[in-house]
Amino acid sequence: EAQMVETGGALVQPGGSLKLSCEVSGLAVSLNFFSWVRQVPGKGLDWVSVIYSEDSTFDSDSVKGRFTTSRDIFKSIIYLQMTNLRVEDTAIYYCARGFGSGAFDVWGHGTLVNVS
Amino acid sequence: QSALTQPPSASGSLGQSVSFSCSGTRGDIGSSDFVSWYQIKPGRVPKLIIFEVTKRPTGVPDRFSASKSGNTASLTVSGLQPEDEATYFCSSLVGTNHFVFGTGTQVTVL
Repeated sequence: EAQMVETGGALVQPGGSLKLSCEVSGLAVSLNFFSWVRQVPGKGLDWVSVIYSEDSTFDSDSVKGRFTTSRDIFKSIIYLQMTNLRVEDTAIYYCARGFGSGAFDVWGHGTLVNVS
Repeated sequence: QSALTQPPSASGSLGQSVSFSCSGTRGDIGSSDFVSWYQIKPGRVPKLIIFEVTKRPTGVPDRFSASKSGNTASLTVSGLQPEDEATYFCSSLVGTNHFVFGTGTQVTVL
């Protein structure tokens, strides 16, 4: 069974940096695409970034230039390096596995990033 | 990229149907074959219930159906059950490598 576990969330000051990890099991990181999606508790979902099987990455306008998505296919981990954090980046960050070309069918339980 | 617009809430009686919309633009829903819907219950992770506009993943009841017309997608839940109370989010692929989510609709079963 595919499973993903996010770690690395913390309280950080504005302007600070943080690196999130998403440990993937039950499927090959190299053969799938993954996204980071965030949610302010009680609010909507906000797409952050995607990393495709060929290792290309794309970011939302709100994080472009500040966040970097990468992976380690041998460790089966997806990373989200976040720099120059802003108060508005405060959210639960989910890692999700891509399904087909435009959906996400497996989600982790998220990790909380609090910028304050 | 602005969030897709959904009504904040919708409700229906037990056993009845509820439908609600997800409005976007020609640049997202209007030009995408990849509209999906997610169900989120408190304390749970998002669950994919519709992909590629109308398709249901294995295990999702056929009470859930969806459609798209122009720049608007719609989700219908028929034969409402208590367990259908949740927040529902739509999503669309934008171009070939970006995504956008909706604002969410809280469904209440009366």
